[in-house]
Amino acid sequence: ELKVEQNPLFLSMQEGKNYTIYCNYSTTSDRLYWYRQDPGKSLESLFVLLSNGAVKQEGRLMASLDTKARLSTLHITAAVHDLSATYFCAGVRNRDDKIIFGKGTRLHILP
Amino acid sequence: GAGVSQSPSNKVTEKGKDVELRCDPISGHTALYWYRQRLGQGLEFLIYFQGNSAPDKSGLPSDRFSAERTGESVSTLTIQRTQQEDSAVYLCASSLAFWGAFLDEQYFGPGTRLTVT
Repeated sequence: ELKVEQNPLFLSMQEGKNYTIYCNYSTTSDRLYWYRQDPGKSLESLFVLLSNGAVKQEGRLMASLDTKARLSTLHITAAVHDLSATYFCAGVRNRDDKIIFGKGTRLHILP
Repeated sequence: GAGVSQSPSNKVTEKGKDVELRCDPISGHTALYWYRQRLGQGLEFLIYFQGNSAPDKSGLPSDRFSAERTGESVSTLTIQRTQQEDSAVYLCASSLAFWGAFLDEQYFGPGTRLTVT
């Protein structure tokens, strides 16, 4: 049964710093998604990672996937306040292709 | 173009009443999904539709929950005899989909915030 675990669940950091959010999953997943959710808003798709070694970047966010380690990371470079949000990763359960979400990482960037 | 829309955006109801939540997917998207998000929690899958059939209802929490979809269009999620634990944000998403329905990128609506008093 696919389980998706994120850490940390809460993160408060200063502007200008770098940090990484980790997403571990328990069994094989064909792909890995990252979403952003602002308070009171819906989810916005950030990245879809399809294969081992995949790396995608947009602005100050970079996501990578290591299928052998069953690990995806979301790296934040030189954080700015606008990146404050909750970030979810999600994997795909192989037996029925259902998307399983992690609990989310609530990121608060202090100005 | 228009994204996924949901109505109402907020619903306050008394315990024991029935509620209907509506989702309008992106035009042309054949797959439609319902999720529940409790305060401070991740997303909990409820049900998905491929066209107007629902191959997977395993996420519905109880028989008080049901959902319908008209063709490849609007879907309604109905909760009968609401309980306080039903309070949550109910999110709808749609995707282009093919036989591997969950493999397509999902586009989420703004959600309906349900409060049961």
